[in-house]
Amino acid sequence: EPEVTQTPSHQVTQMGQEVILRCVPISNHLYFYWYRQILGQKVEFLVSFYNNEISEKSEIFDDQFSVERPDGSNFTLKIRSTKLEDSAMYFCASQPTFGQGQETQYFGPGTRLLVL
Amino acid sequence: QKEVEQNSGPLSVPEGAIASLNCTYSDRGSQSFFWYRQYSGKSPELIMFIYSNGDKEDGRFTAQLNKASQYVSLLIRDSQPSDSATYLCAANRGGYNKLIFGAGTRLAVHP
Repeated sequence: EPEVTQTPSHQVTQMGQEVILRCVPISNHLYFYWYRQILGQKVEFLVSFYNNEISEKSEIFDDQFSVERPDGSNFTLKIRSTKLEDSAMYFCASQPTFGQGQETQYFGPGTRLLVL
Repeated sequence: QKEVEQNSGPLSVPEGAIASLNCTYSDRGSQSFFWYRQYSGKSPELIMFIYSNGDKEDGRFTAQLNKASQYVSLLIRDSQPSDSATYLCAANRGGYNKLIFGAGTRLAVHP
């Protein structure tokens, strides 16, 4: 069964450094998302992406963050100048299409980011 | 602020019993509702979704939706120790909209 994959599984970085989190969504899916989950807290929406542009972004997703789909398979989240509070699990999700019954978002295994 | 609320638990049930998990949502524009299971340190794994009022059954799981009361529930029949996890309720406005997650209910099934 197709799965969303994410790399790396763990990333440790120093405060102020840039990190790129990578995702390969399920083939033929059209909609892509990034969420994050700070330890012990809710899963929070960051950004949605469709047709090579951002569809919606949360207030968390400020100028520090950017997303890109550089080729037909990868979907990346870049965090510039990381802060301690960026430490979290970052999940990528993809969705096949929309219409009732087709709107399930499938989550990748996540990247655990630790900013020191 | 659109919210999805869940009782954090833990909900403790004996093996073989029915576990009942509840969720309320504040956004009346919500169209679709999802139950995900999350094991510690892992990603959310879809159990089932529902978008019509009433019940929807899938194996040991039954989701119930009452849009008038803004209430969603998940019943797990014949609970197994392997069902022990955090259950996340999520809602969205349909289409390709973001999911709004609740904080999750921790379920513990004891032998």
